[in-house]
Amino acid sequence: KAGVTQTPRYLIKTRGQQVTLSCSPISGHRSVSWYQQTPGQGLQFLFEYFSETQRNKGNFPGRFSGRQFSNSRSEMNVSTLELGDSALYLCASTGEGTDTQYFGPGTRLTVL
Amino acid sequence: AQSVTQLDSHVSVSEGTPVLLRCNYSSSYSPSLFWYVQHPNKGLQLLLKYTSAATLVKGINGFEAEFKKSETSFHLTKPSAHMSDAAEYFCVVSGQAGTALIFGKGTTLSVSS
Repeated sequence: KAGVTQTPRYLIKTRGQQVTLSCSPISGHRSVSWYQQTPGQGLQFLFEYFSETQRNKGNFPGRFSGRQFSNSRSEMNVSTLELGDSALYLCASTGEGTDTQYFGPGTRLTVL
Repeated sequence: AQSVTQLDSHVSVSEGTPVLLRCNYSSSYSPSLFWYVQHPNKGLQLLLKYTSAATLVKGINGFEAEFKKSETSFHLTKPSAHMSDAAEYFCVVSGQAGTALIFGKGTTLSVSS
């Protein structure tokens, strides 16, 4: 099976802009989770989607949002970008009946 | 609430010597525990997972971890380090909802020849 894919792999944006990141889960996986990785805060949970519904949410401001499509692909959006949003954004997919998450390669976002 | 503490931020070993990466956890229930590895500019790769079937868990690339409930520890070991093991290692506990993994701060493993 193909693994989790994320696009784009690298992004450079300026403060105030918005950005959309995409994640395609492993075939058959219906749960997609998003994480932010920074040197200072480490890996932090953003949110999780299952069957097009947000099932769990971390402690991030409302500028961070996401959605999931009927084919389980997911997008996350960050509006009004701040310098502190520069990070590696990782998505992970999970199959039914398990809590094991399989991660994609990540999207490196740089905010200037 | 769940939490994970990785006791060493950096571990250095010589190639061919044993590896020990230490992890303590705190949880109000019986969680799943994981070790993931991240090579530079890469995503996270699952090394191994503990549920409750066995306290000694074998993973990929010769790694294994032992769950000790009395010590609330889940240390990762490998008998003989290889240069390719140099990476960042994360000890992880599952959240109560089963999602929302909680990560330790990570341990950087350096391997010298």
